[in-house]
Amino acid sequence: AQSVTQLGSHVSVSEGALVLLRCNYSSSVPPYLFWYVQYPNQGLQLLLKYTTGATLVKGINGFEAEFKKSETSFHLTKPSAHMSDAAEYFCAVGRSGGYQKVTFGTGTKLQVIP
Amino acid sequence: SQTIHQWPATLVQPVGSPLSLECTVEGTSNPNLYWYRQAAGRGLQLLFYSVGIGQISSEVPQNLSASRPQDRQFILSSKKLLLSDSGFYLCAWSPRDTPNYGYTFGSGTRLTVV
Repeated sequence: AQSVTQLGSHVSVSEGALVLLRCNYSSSVPPYLFWYVQYPNQGLQLLLKYTTGATLVKGINGFEAEFKKSETSFHLTKPSAHMSDAAEYFCAVGRSGGYQKVTFGTGTKLQVIP
Repeated sequence: SQTIHQWPATLVQPVGSPLSLECTVEGTSNPNLYWYRQAAGRGLQLLFYSVGIGQISSEVPQNLSASRPQDRQFILSSKKLLLSDSGFYLCAWSPRDTPNYGYTFGSGTRLTVV
């Protein structure tokens, strides 16, 4: 079984401030971890993913995330928020073997204050 | 490159009317296909997934059904819509044997049942 918990359904940051969106996962096997972004009335777009290897993963739009096995976390960060970062962000966990089902978190809406 | 098409973008339907949403994928073969629904404040809910033609698995018992008449075509249907069927419907695909690839989403259909 696998699950994802995103802490904070809404996060507000000032433009130029650090963005930190939290994600903790549970998985009985080594996980694959993903972050997606969704702009209003659009589909989800893959930001970045961790599969194996380097635990610090860089994605699009200046975002990065670090896989910490000991903390079962995969938090998303960006050093300086931009107005265009305002969107909803979803963390997701998947696994290898058999049917590949990805489990999504409930999402975090990021508001960027000018 | 692979693309996913989903239509229509918006739909307003009366209660009791039928529904048909279509999703097609191009540029790949034998994809896994998924239908998700987003209701306000409820995150992503997996409705159906398919690993091949005619193979449909339902995640949540409901008023909806899905079909996969061709390898890259996935259809979401209802015989009689309920008010509770309103929401944002997303189709997605993933490669059959690449679990670390993640999902690619369509642009979504906003369904309002009135």
